[in-house]
Amino acid sequence: GAGVSQSPSNKVTEKGKDVELRCDPISGHTALYWYRQSLGQGLEFLIYFQGNSAPDKSGLPSDRFSAERTGGSVSTLTIQRTQQEDSAVYLCASSNSPQRVHNSPLHFGNGTRLTVT
Amino acid sequence: GQNIDQPTEMTATEGAIVQINCTYQTSGFNGLFWYQQHAGEAPTFLSYNVLDGLEEKGRFSSFLSRSKGYSYLLLKELQMKDSASYLCAVRDVNTGFQKLVFGTGTRLLVSP
Repeated sequence: GAGVSQSPSNKVTEKGKDVELRCDPISGHTALYWYRQSLGQGLEFLIYFQGNSAPDKSGLPSDRFSAERTGGSVSTLTIQRTQQEDSAVYLCASSNSPQRVHNSPLHFGNGTRLTVT
Repeated sequence: GQNIDQPTEMTATEGAIVQINCTYQTSGFNGLFWYQQHAGEAPTFLSYNVLDGLEEKGRFSSFLSRSKGYSYLLLKELQMKDSASYLCAVRDVNTGFQKLVFGTGTRLLVSP
């Protein structure tokens, strides 16, 4: 596709339920990132994929959060037993490999707005 | 880790010039990015600096001083559509070369 696609655009869930957020990166981009943005806050790094492996998952807030990427393309971020503090916009971005193209910018999707009630 | 500071909010008038500052502290600086984010939309890439000096791109310019840990984004001939948040982000080889660490952003309001 022309850009990074995320689904759903909005998700309302009850506390304690599991949610899955999907990201479809720009074709050919080997690097994929998940960030989250809470109201009035900056973008908080969650996890980075290079291909299907995740060399940096240092930003995942707890073991309730996990992510995977298959076929070097689509990624899914899963939040188990959601809590109200998980409410935020979850943004996915993709880029060329920063090791090969150091000035390669991140291209963001429109995000998934998650509300935990 | 990094500490990235930007003013929270700025106001300016249509047609004017505005400068948005960003200061950072990193141990292994390897590039600074500026992004624009309209409310409810995705951040979009504006500029990249890795060497000292000014990078000009149309109405927008970005400056970097590595020795001072300082950058600014300069917006000229402001238009109403420039009302948005402007995010400064830094890449640091010592805390994960691959990721960008973002500041909290500066909300710019352009008035007629």
